Amino acid sequence: GQQLNQSPQSMFIQEGEDVSMNCTSSSIFNTWLWYKQDPGEGPVLLIALYKAGELTSNGRLTAQFGITRKDSFLNISASIPSDVGIYFCAGPLNSGNTPLVFGKGTRLSVIA
Amino acid sequence: NAGVTQTPKFQVLKTGQSMTLQCAQDMNHEYMSWYRQDPGMGLRLIHYSVGAGITDQGEVPNGYNVSRSTTEDFPLRLLSAAPSQTSVYFCASSYGYPGYNEQFFGPGTRLTVL
Repeated sequence: GQQLNQSPQSMFIQEGEDVSMNCTSSSIFNTWLWYKQDPGEGPVLLIALYKAGELTSNGRLTAQFGITRKDSFLNISASIPSDVGIYFCAGPLNSGNTPLVFGKGTRLSVIA
Repeated sequence: NAGVTQTPKFQVLKTGQSMTLQCAQDMNHEYMSWYRQDPGMGLRLIHYSVGAGITDQGEVPNGYNVSRSTTEDFPLRLLSAAPSQTSVYFCASSYGYPGYNEQFFGPGTRLTVL
């Protein structure tokens, strides 16, 4: 089946630093979603992207839908301790109304 | 609104035992899903439902059953628990297909099978 490859798997950064992570696929996606999972909780949707080349921000978070439709990027600016968690990319298995497939996640640790 | 609720929060089973993980939502969402999360594996879809009376298999359905008799409830049944089913289970719901509608997750059930 389709797979989403996230990198890096984990990262340790200093508070105040910017963070960048990405998600790639061998198949084309028409929707890219970014979720965050706080420790001990369920994931929460951060940003949804629906158009190739789209750049969307949510506070200090910015995500981009790659123009090839096979990748997406998430950037976090000026990281703070509450940014700690696992960040997942996700998208519909096939175009249209189908279930989501998730990447394996990027685990972010912020050192104060 | 309570959102998506899951019970129990923690459960320990012995190999071969059966149990039902409960999931309920009060947002009148048609679409509900069950995922399992294993270390380093992300979230994998077990079963999903697009409305009452309709269910379908996801990526890893073996060993699990679901039913959807009401819009609100979507229980997940483990027929004969195995150690490989030790995982964290998340239920999620959305108004429509989650690619186009925000999907809300429950707090999870942490299951250990001995």
